[in-house]
Amino acid sequence: GNSVTQMEGPVTLSEEAFLTINCTYTATGYPSLFWYVQYPGEGLQLLLKATKADDKGSNKGFEATYRKETTSFHLEKGSVQVSDSAVYFCALSIGDTGNQFYFGTGTSLTVIP
Amino acid sequence: NAGVTQTPKFQVLKTGQSMTLQCAQDMNHEYMSWYRQDPGMGLRLIHYSVGAGITDQGEVPNGYNVSRSTTEDFPLRLLSAAPSQTSVYFCASSYSQGAWNTEAFFGQGTRLTVV
Repeated sequence: GNSVTQMEGPVTLSEEAFLTINCTYTATGYPSLFWYVQYPGEGLQLLLKATKADDKGSNKGFEATYRKETTSFHLEKGSVQVSDSAVYFCALSIGDTGNQFYFGTGTSLTVIP
Repeated sequence: NAGVTQTPKFQVLKTGQSMTLQCAQDMNHEYMSWYRQDPGMGLRLIHYSVGAGITDQGEVPNGYNVSRSTTEDFPLRLLSAAPSQTSVYFCASSYSQGAWNTEAFFGQGTRLTVV
């Protein structure tokens, strides 16, 4: 079936530290991959995406590369800020299933000054 | 352009009551979905629709009904609320782009408590 496994949190980092949140997936078809971010009390917002193997998605200093050989889509940022504190969700969608999305359990990140 | 709008934002129900969570989108997206978010479980798909008049069940459909009479609206009905339905509910919309999928656009959520 289709599923996403991501690193469990919570994660606490000091400002300017390097961030990695691991995400691996299984898919019956050829998925598109996404990272969403959820700030307290809000809905999910798209952070970045990749639609085919070796694509790199990037936004606001965050990056993730679609690795088909390792079925992974790890999220990285070189220098986190306090404003990056949020919950991060890895997700995939399969095009021929009504555009259904499958989400990981989320990783809570807290950045301290 | 409002995007995806959910109402209400908060709701408290008694066990056995019924209610409808409203969702509307103004982006002319063909796909709409309902998810519930529970601690440690991420988002789980309840029901989804690939167009007006077409709906299907997701991973956790029991206790919920949906309909899609227009492209814009996708209400979620709780038939007889149970404490296990206490959760945060998100509506999302998206569209296909050739062979690839676009991202899902989410509403702000409805926090439902069943007592």
